[in-house]
Amino acid sequence: DTEVTQTPKHLVMGMTNKKSLKCEQHMGHRAMYWYKQKAKKPPELMFVYSYEKLSINESVPSRFSPECPNSSLLNLHLHALQPEDSALYLCASSQESRAYEQYFGPGTRLTVT
Amino acid sequence: QKEVEQNSGPLSVPEGAIASLNCTYSDRGSQSFFWYRQYSGKSPELIMSIYSNGDKEDGRFTAQLNKASQYVSLLIRDSQPSDSATYLCAVNRVPAGGYNKLIFGAGTRLAVHP
Repeated sequence: DTEVTQTPKHLVMGMTNKKSLKCEQHMGHRAMYWYKQKAKKPPELMFVYSYEKLSINESVPSRFSPECPNSSLLNLHLHALQPEDSALYLCASSQESRAYEQYFGPGTRLTVT
Repeated sequence: QKEVEQNSGPLSVPEGAIASLNCTYSDRGSQSFFWYRQYSGKSPELIMSIYSNGDKEDGRFTAQLNKASQYVSLLIRDSQPSDSATYLCAVNRVPAGGYNKLIFGAGTRLAVHP
């Protein structure tokens, strides 16, 4: 099973809303990642969790708040977003942070109005 | 200079032909190289990984790596219309702290026409 799942598939939110994106994997992977992808651009790394601890924060604004409740789950809490934050948000996982093959979930298409 | 460079395309090939996708990278310390396929509106799918110089074949796909030239390529034999997608080259970089970081190229759009 090489599946990473993400919910919701689509999300529309206003700039004053608070929402959360969820990611789940059952492959026993110990590293999980959040990426942001704008149209016709490659994915941009946001956060890396390794063994449930935040390892990398790529200078992401504080309106994005990641959380890793356990080794299978990864959340991204959203608050006071801007329209320019509209993008495809991708979750990925790999065996562990030094392993190289990352598997992506289907993504959440976020629109901020 | 971008860390990972790809021609954005579109690369247009007829059905049944060989599609050749190229990628160069700047960090000589990179050890791991990947090709992801991304259909429009979908997430990237890992299709090939290569770690040592030479060729690696998997079905219709062949990845080629030349570390001396800092060059990675992907060949798709017997191209099908279903291969039409954007192909992302990704290179592993290990920053301070040792955590895995993939650097993506901008992607090459492949169009296979019947």
